[in-house]
Amino acid sequence: NAGVTQTPKFQVLKTGQSMTLQCAQDMNHNSMYWYRQDPGMGLRLIYYSASEGTTDKGEVPNGYNVSRLNKREFSLRLESAAPSQTSVYFCASSEALRGGTDTQYFGPGTRLTVL
Amino acid sequence: AQTVTQSQPEMSVQEAETVTLSCTYDTSENNYYLFWYKQPPSRQMILVIRQEAYKQQNATENRFSVNFQKAAKSFSLKISDSQLGDTAMYFCAFRQIQGAQKLVFGQGTRLTINP
Repeated sequence: NAGVTQTPKFQVLKTGQSMTLQCAQDMNHNSMYWYRQDPGMGLRLIYYSASEGTTDKGEVPNGYNVSRLNKREFSLRLESAAPSQTSVYFCASSEALRGGTDTQYFGPGTRLTVL
Repeated sequence: AQTVTQSQPEMSVQEAETVTLSCTYDTSENNYYLFWYKQPPSRQMILVIRQEAYKQQNATENRFSVNFQKAAKSFSLKISDSQLGDTAMYFCAFRQIQGAQKLVFGQGTRLTINP
């Protein structure tokens, strides 16, 4: 199993450009998440999808959109990139079974720079 | 809103020593989950250990153990017989059981194991 995979690993954008970060998991997990990590800080939740067909805002959703394409895939889109969105982006997934600890497993991250 | 605080930005110990990383949190919930994640230079977020708040017994995973003090809202991580490969950022994280499925992270502690 590959676990959680993310593409691309690195990306440089100019202000105003758009792009989509891709995430896929092969663990048959129900829930998926997008976080961002700024220098010297912990991760903050952008959006999450509790189950296929649903999405909800997290702590820092402004400037982003998401799509839960199917159970495996959860994409994050920046419509008009801004320098404040320079960060490392992590995708995660979890089983989300009732009564479980619901541990989240993370992808390797995407380092995004917006000039 | 829940908050997680890690008061030690950096720590450094010699190989084979024991080190304890501190974490405190604030919540009005009675049941929740707590986690320690490790982030080595590769940036991958790796689960180290997890604790369910309703369990009084402290979790252990090989050389890693926690000291969970629910009344004090404290969740420290002890690494015994530290190894060079333990060098990483360590993040404490909180997750409530009900409601929004997000992890709330602390700011992290940079741990260096010296040879």
